[in-house]
Amino acid sequence: GENVEQHPSTLSVQEGDSAVIKCTYSDSASNYFPWYKQELGKRPQLIIDIRSNVGEKKDQRIAVTLNKTAKHFSLHITETQPEDSAVYFCAAPREGNNRLAFGKGNQVVVIP
Amino acid sequence: DAGITQSPRYKITETGRQVTLMCHQTWSHSYMFWYRQDLGHGLRLIYYSAAADITDKGEVPDGYVVSRSKTENFPLTLESATRSQTSVYFCASSESLRDRYYNSPLHFGNGTRLTVT
Repeated sequence: GENVEQHPSTLSVQEGDSAVIKCTYSDSASNYFPWYKQELGKRPQLIIDIRSNVGEKKDQRIAVTLNKTAKHFSLHITETQPEDSAVYFCAAPREGNNRLAFGKGNQVVVIP
Repeated sequence: DAGITQSPRYKITETGRQVTLMCHQTWSHSYMFWYRQDLGHGLRLIYYSAAADITDKGEVPDGYVVSRSKTENFPLTLESATRSQTSVYFCASSESLRDRYYNSPLHFGNGTRLTVT
């Protein structure tokens, strides 16, 4: 089955700086890689996703890059703001199963 | 996403009691999921359903029962609650898959915080 790991578990950044979170996966056949953001006390919400036929995708201040050879994908947040403080989860499909495997999450803290 | 609602938002129950968490979606999504969220464990899948009357186990199904008689509803029942089932439970839904690997976004409900005393 798919094994998804996220690093670092906690990341503190100064407001305005960039944050990068890395996610590794084990199934080389996985073809869909989403990132979810969960603010304190709220539900996880999809913020960006990427498919295996694309190397990078951007949406305003966030971007996701995919390295299929190394089996990892990363979330990039530029010009961080206090509202970016949250837990971020990555996920990847489980082989042969119609469900996603989630990482344990990264706590991002933006220091004003 | 107002299209998926969970009830109740908060529930306190005693060990050994049966409790049912409700989940309702208005999008007619084929897939529905139940996750539990615990500190240090992230999101773990309990059960999922590909369509009405089709359910399957996830990573941590023991102690839970699900049913899906209608596409829009996917209740989760704890038959005899234990303290280890104290958690935040999230229901989610998604559209039909396009191929054998999962590639549709999940839409989560607001969650139910369950405390078993």
